[in-house]
Amino acid sequence: DAGVIQSPRHEVTEMGQEVTLRCKPISGHNSLFWYRQTMMRGLELLIYFNNNVPIDDSGMPEDRFSAKMPNASFSTLKIQPSEPRDSAVYFCASRPGGFKETQYFGPGTRLLVL
Amino acid sequence: AQKITQTQPGMFVQEKEAVTLDCTYDTSDPSYGLFWYKQPSSGEMIFLIYQGSYDQQNATEGRYSLNFQKARKSANLVISASQLGDSAMYFCAIAPPASKLTFGTGTRLQVTL
Repeated sequence: DAGVIQSPRHEVTEMGQEVTLRCKPISGHNSLFWYRQTMMRGLELLIYFNNNVPIDDSGMPEDRFSAKMPNASFSTLKIQPSEPRDSAVYFCASRPGGFKETQYFGPGTRLLVL
Repeated sequence: AQKITQTQPGMFVQEKEAVTLDCTYDTSDPSYGLFWYKQPSSGEMIFLIYQGSYDQQNATEGRYSLNFQKARKSANLVISASQLGDSAMYFCAIAPPASKLTFGTGTRLQVTL
């Protein structure tokens, strides 16, 4: 079975550019999470969706970040405009729902903003 | 709010020996889950084991077991018969039902010959 799919795997961009990260959750999972990992702050949640509806976006740093989940099989995280401090690994994770609590992570997108 | 504390930044263990990675937690939620993830140098996050707060027995998954002591708010990971491929960062995490994971700072495990 395919796991969580993220693209691109690596992104290098210049400050001020728009960046779009993409995620395809595991089929049948009804919760999707975006996490960010940095050396300074560790792993932290940005936003999560249940049944395509945003539930908690308190971790989104500022208005430059936005996330959408137009359907059960696709989500995007957009940064506009990007800044060097956004450089991090961005993980997408999905959870089956019901009593199954485990979140399964994608391989991550390594973002470098110059 | 939830908090995870991992007090061991780094650990060494010899191949074939057992090792315990410490994790303590704090939460105000009556129901929660505890998780361990492995992050090798390649960067992916690999799920290892899950313990529900109301589970009566400690969770086990192959060579991994979770030593859950609810009164002490600890959820230590035990890896038996360590292998070189176990060298990685290990993260403990907590989550209320159907909610976000809160991670600890991680423990870097190095398995030696």
